[in-house]
Amino acid sequence: NAGVTQTPKFRILKIGQSMTLQCTQDMNHNYMYWYRQDPGMGLKLIYYSVGAGITDKGEVPNGYNVSRSTTEDFPLRLELAAPSQTSVYFCATRQGYSNQPQHFGDGTRLSIL
Amino acid sequence: AQTVTQSQPEMSVQEAETVTLSCTYDTSESDYYLFWYKQPPSRQMILVIRQEAYKQQNATENRFSVNFQKAAKSFSLKISDSQLGDAAMYFCAYRSLEYGNKLVFGAGTILRVKS
Repeated sequence: NAGVTQTPKFRILKIGQSMTLQCTQDMNHNYMYWYRQDPGMGLKLIYYSVGAGITDKGEVPNGYNVSRSTTEDFPLRLELAAPSQTSVYFCATRQGYSNQPQHFGDGTRLSIL
Repeated sequence: AQTVTQSQPEMSVQEAETVTLSCTYDTSESDYYLFWYKQPPSRQMILVIRQEAYKQQNATENRFSVNFQKAAKSFSLKISDSQLGDAAMYFCAYRSLEYGNKLVFGAGTILRVKS
């Protein structure tokens, strides 16, 4: 019963490097979300998707890209990593009915040095 | 845009006592959902309780209950009979019914439980 799986759990990047954070779900949920959580703060929405092939920007999309080619996968791409992107990244999913809560992965801690 | 405010950065409670965490929000919508999430040191985001705005009755889940005041745009969480395992960061979150049904989070309240 995997739910929402995020990989990797930890990563250190150098400034200017690129990487992809993976998010996979096995619950057949249409809605998927990427959040970032800065130290001592709440979560802020980066990108979201309401189904395969459909993505849209959240509050803080700059410096990131996403794709949603399948229902299961929603990778988050960082291009030209910057120290300001040091954060914990959470992927979440939700069933299509509005009264259902979001289910979160365990997060990826990313440090840019 | 909706905003969520948690005015208590940190709270403490004695084991077995009751504590209330505050949350206010700003919205022009009449229908929406409110949530409390718990984040222990393990970093997991755990749903504690949810409230539908159209329901007047306050939600309860075992030792957790809310005081939902729609007109005041207030959504506080009460934890009764506090346990050491309740120690965590608690986030209040708002979800609109607009496209995408995005969550907006407050900054969080750290709850410490003293034995």
